[in-house]
Amino acid sequence: SQELEQSPQSLIVQEGKNLTINCTSSKTLYGLYWYKQKYGEGLIFLMMLQKGGEEKSHEKITAKLDEKKQQSSLHITASQPSHAGIYLCGADKGYGNKLVFGAGTILRVKS
Amino acid sequence: DVKVTQSSRYLVKRTGEKVFLECVQDMDHENMFWYRQDPGLGLRLIYFSYDVKMKEKGDIPEGYSVSREKKERFSLILESASTNQTSMYLCASSLWILAGGPGEQYFGPGTRLTVT
Repeated sequence: SQELEQSPQSLIVQEGKNLTINCTSSKTLYGLYWYKQKYGEGLIFLMMLQKGGEEKSHEKITAKLDEKKQQSSLHITASQPSHAGIYLCGADKGYGNKLVFGAGTILRVKS
Repeated sequence: DVKVTQSSRYLVKRTGEKVFLECVQDMDHENMFWYRQDPGLGLRLIYFSYDVKMKEKGDIPEGYSVSREKKERFSLILESASTNQTSMYLCASSLWILAGGPGEQYFGPGTRLTVT
């Protein structure tokens, strides 16, 4: 079965600093989804990537899928306290409209 | 605005009790999901439903059952709650997509269940 490894597990950054979160798959990714979760709440969809080399941006968050489609990165520029939360990547299981999720990366932003 | 609601944000139950968690979506989505979220383990799929009265086991169905009598409502049932079912439970819904990968899943706010 497909497994997703996220790194780092947690991250503390000073406000204004840039940061990157990685999501690595043991198999080729046919669809990679990034979600954000505020503590104790549901997940909010950020972006979906499907093509090798694809890159998408939303405000100060950029997500990329590598050419081999086995790794994705999420980059936050000039972090703010509002970026704090848990970031999860999810991947298409290849059948049945289901996703498998990574364990998540906890981000704290110090002001 | 799309919405997935869950019946309770916090719930405390005793070991052995039967527990019902309710989820309602207003987007006319075919797919509905129940996940549990535990630190270090991420989201794990308990059950999935792709239509009324249709269900499919996820990765960790043991100790749980589900019911989908109406398209908008998906219930998770803990037949006899145990302490190892203490967790955050998240419901989600999405459109059924035939090709091109799963659609975006919309999540409810979660129910934090404590079994004592």
